[in-house]
Amino acid sequence: GAGVSQSPSNKVTEKGKDVELRCDPISGHTALYWYRQSLGQGLEFLIYFQGNSAPDKSGLPSDRFSAERTGGSVSTLTIQRTQQEDSAVYLCATSVGRRGRERDTQYFGPGTRLTVL
Amino acid sequence: GQNIDQPTEMTATEGAIVQINCTYQTSGFNGLFWYQQHAGEAPTFLSYNVLDGLEEKGRFSSFLSRSKGYSYLLLKELQMKDSASYLCAAPGSARQLTFGSGTQLTVLP
Repeated sequence: GAGVSQSPSNKVTEKGKDVELRCDPISGHTALYWYRQSLGQGLEFLIYFQGNSAPDKSGLPSDRFSAERTGGSVSTLTIQRTQQEDSAVYLCATSVGRRGRERDTQYFGPGTRLTVL
Repeated sequence: GQNIDQPTEMTATEGAIVQINCTYQTSGFNGLFWYQQHAGEAPTFLSYNVLDGLEEKGRFSSFLSRSKGYSYLLLKELQMKDSASYLCAAPGSARQLTFGSGTQLTVLP
């Protein structure tokens, strides 16, 4: 089956504009995560969706960032009034959604490279 | 919280063996992952350890010691294509992964 897909692959925007990044999960995966990877930095957790539960937004860096997941499938990450420090690769990952200590491997999409001029 | 440490860079020769270490401090332990990330690509899953000991998978093996908060990834018979960043990651309470900064491995001919 298809893996995690993300669009667009690249996005160049001007400071102050809003952007939307899309993630299509692997079919049947109930858990969906957004991460950010800045140049030379490790991956940073942003937000987590599990089924129909309220999302875990603890990693969002500011209120300019928001995300939604419609129908438990496609997710959209929105960044309002973009700033230059938002420039990064935004990665989406999904997993089956196992609990406890069972392995719940996250599979990553190719990412969206966002450049804010 | 979670804290993951790993070396920034390593260099090895084609055909050799290399060990990439990772130390971690977690508020609750839910296993440890290793991912491989080639430049400009998404991370791909390599291994998962939740019990102490060595897990072998072809040329790659991963080791875990929970009492020491320590793991390593062992790569044997290195190939040029193994040049990549290797990421150590631990799941948090919400299963979100906390990643180390990654170890950039360069394999020389």
